[in-house]
Amino acid sequence: DQQVKQNSPSLSVQEGRISILNCDYTNSMFDYFLWYKKYPAEGPTFLISISSIKDKNEDGRFTVFLNKSAKHLSLHIVPSQPGDSAVYFCAASPSLYNFNKFYFGSGTKLNVKP
Amino acid sequence: GAGVSQSPSNKVTEKGKDVELRCDPISGHTALYWYRQSLGQGLEFLIYFQGNSAPDKSGLPSDRFSAERTGGSVSTLTIQRTQQEDSAVYLCASSRSGTGGASGSGEQYFGPGTRLTVT
Repeated sequence: DQQVKQNSPSLSVQEGRISILNCDYTNSMFDYFLWYKKYPAEGPTFLISISSIKDKNEDGRFTVFLNKSAKHLSLHIVPSQPGDSAVYFCAASPSLYNFNKFYFGSGTKLNVKP
Repeated sequence: GAGVSQSPSNKVTEKGKDVELRCDPISGHTALYWYRQSLGQGLEFLIYFQGNSAPDKSGLPSDRFSAERTGGSVSTLTIQRTQQEDSAVYLCASSRSGTGGASGSGEQYFGPGTRLTVT
């Protein structure tokens, strides 16, 4: 069973607008969350993370929001740029101190139109 | 500096044959992970190595799959008697540490993957 779900396989956004990518999880023990970006024929690259003690983390154009009660996190990209077009994966770890296993969603393909 | 490298980048094999996939992690990274991504699916955890500790093999789908990490560096994933459902992209990742808190952020550095096709 998939413990981390990204229910939107794709998203299309106009350049300059906000992109919102969503991720839901089922395991309330998850303590640490990450977003990765993946271009074709490359491995995923780390984007931003958040621990369960926070509800928001910001890094430049990227902000991750965590709603623990809803078991939901989202990635906001503002403003979106064509170079942001990629597949975005969210990942979760059940421990903030032991990263032996990460659970990944199936990804959302973002297309930012010029 | 050099990132995580994997070889081969593509592998086509016949059903029933054995394959070996190689991963060279970033130098100094103590944690190493193997994942696979089947078409339209997310990354599926396979196995985790942390330093000299016993690996976490809980994600290996069957006893046809095995992995080793020699000298705390290079890792090899072996699939015996390949089946068509083994076709996927196999990704390797390394991180500075498999522990968080003050000693690590959990950020993993991924290789480009090996695309395995079993015919």
